Amino acid sequence: AQSVTQPDIHITVSEGASLELRCNYSYGATPYLFWYVQSPGQGLQLLLKYFSGDTLVQGIKGFEAEFKRSQSSFNLRKPSVHWSDAAEYFCAVGANYGQNFVFGPGTRLSVLP
Amino acid sequence: DAGVTQSPTHLIKTRGQQVTLRCSPKSGHDTVSWYQQALGQGPQFIFQYYEEEERQRGNFPDRFSGHQFPNYSSELNVNALLLGDSALYLCASSLATGAYEQYFGPGTRLTVT
Repeated sequence: AQSVTQPDIHITVSEGASLELRCNYSYGATPYLFWYVQSPGQGLQLLLKYFSGDTLVQGIKGFEAEFKRSQSSFNLRKPSVHWSDAAEYFCAVGANYGQNFVFGPGTRLSVLP
Repeated sequence: DAGVTQSPTHLIKTRGQQVTLRCSPKSGHDTVSWYQQALGQGPQFIFQYYEEEERQRGNFPDRFSGHQFPNYSSELNVNALLLGDSALYLCASSLATGAYEQYFGPGTRLTVT
């Protein structure tokens, strides 16, 4: 069965600083990987996804993520954080067609002015 | 293009009662998944419906049941509510074929007292 870990429960960065959120997954085959963002009291918004091909994927709001098979990682990055990026970020892995997503526990991002 | 909608937004129930939550998928989507998100945690998969059948189920008791209608909308029913059922319930829709990303609704906040 697949699983996801997000080692950082809470990260605080200053506005304008760079950001990297870590995600490690466990799955026997090629995974489908996703990053979602959740603002307080809201549903989840898809930031980006990886299915195959180029291991560096671009998403919305200036985010990107890199798939590293050797490290079983799919870290999320942003070169310059904005105050509006403060939210909860979830990494998820989806297995074969039709199967459910497994989410990590989330990383809460705080942004200092 | 309407996204995923859920109703009601909030509701409060008493232990032992039953509750029904509703979801309308994103236009063009035919698959609906339900997730439970407890406070401070990532979403946990409950079950998935496709062609009016439960296609896959997570580790939730039989008190949790669902239904999908011919128009692809779905209901989640929880019987004999427990205090531990208090959570944000998220509905996600997707296509059974093609891309595998799931689009989430805003959720229903259930409080059991």
